Amino acid sequence: QVQLVQSGAEVKKPGSSVKVSCKASGGTFSSYAISWVRQAPGQGLEWMGGIIPIFGTANYAQKFQGRVTITTDESTSTAYMELSSLRSEDTAVYYCARDVESDILTGCLGYWGQGTLVTVSS
Amino acid sequence: QSALTQPASVSGSPGQSITISCTGTSSDVGSYNLVSWYQQHPGKAPKLMIYEVSKRPSGVSNRFSGSKSGNTASLTISGLQAEDEADYYCCSYAGSSTFDVVFGGGTKLTVL
Repeated sequence: QVQLVQSGAEVKKPGSSVKVSCKASGGTFSSYAISWVRQAPGQGLEWMGGIIPIFGTANYAQKFQGRVTITTDESTSTAYMELSSLRSEDTAVYYCARDVESDILTGCLGYWGQGTLVTVSS
Repeated sequence: QSALTQPASVSGSPGQSITISCTGTSSDVGSYNLVSWYQQHPGKAPKLMIYEVSKRPSGVSNRFSGSKSGNTASLTISGLQAEDEADYYCCSYAGSSTFDVVFGGGTKLTVL
């Protein structure tokens, strides 16, 4: 069974960066797109970007272009999301999620991590 | 890319059927059969209920079904049960040029 386990909660200062990890187990890591989705308190889901590890090139939502970097380490089956220039509005739970289809980013996310709360506060 | 439009809330009594709509544009819902639906209980991660418009993942009850017509997708839940009370989000692939994925704003389902 596929499992995605994320790193723990973070508290960050405005203007700093945060890097969240997502370790996959129980499936083929390289062929399935990993997306990052965030959810601000009391708000809806927001797609930030995604990557297919075997291809290595990440795609980002226009809103986060220039501020987010998504990478993977195939040797450890881990995906990373780094968000820079943090502001209070970035306070949210950040989820990683795996696509249902291999070799393509569809946005149909069949497996989710447990979420990582990132709090941005001075 | 703008969010997909969902009703803020829907309600129904146990045993009834409800339908949640998800309206997009010809650039997302209307162009791709890559619409998915997620159920989210408070404090939990979202759970995939429907993918590629009408496919059900293994383990999801057949009370949940999906469809699409033009730029609008729909999720129907039949035989409502108390445990169906949750937030529901639709999602669509939105283009190979931008590789965008867009979510709806979410619908709160209340089982009366």
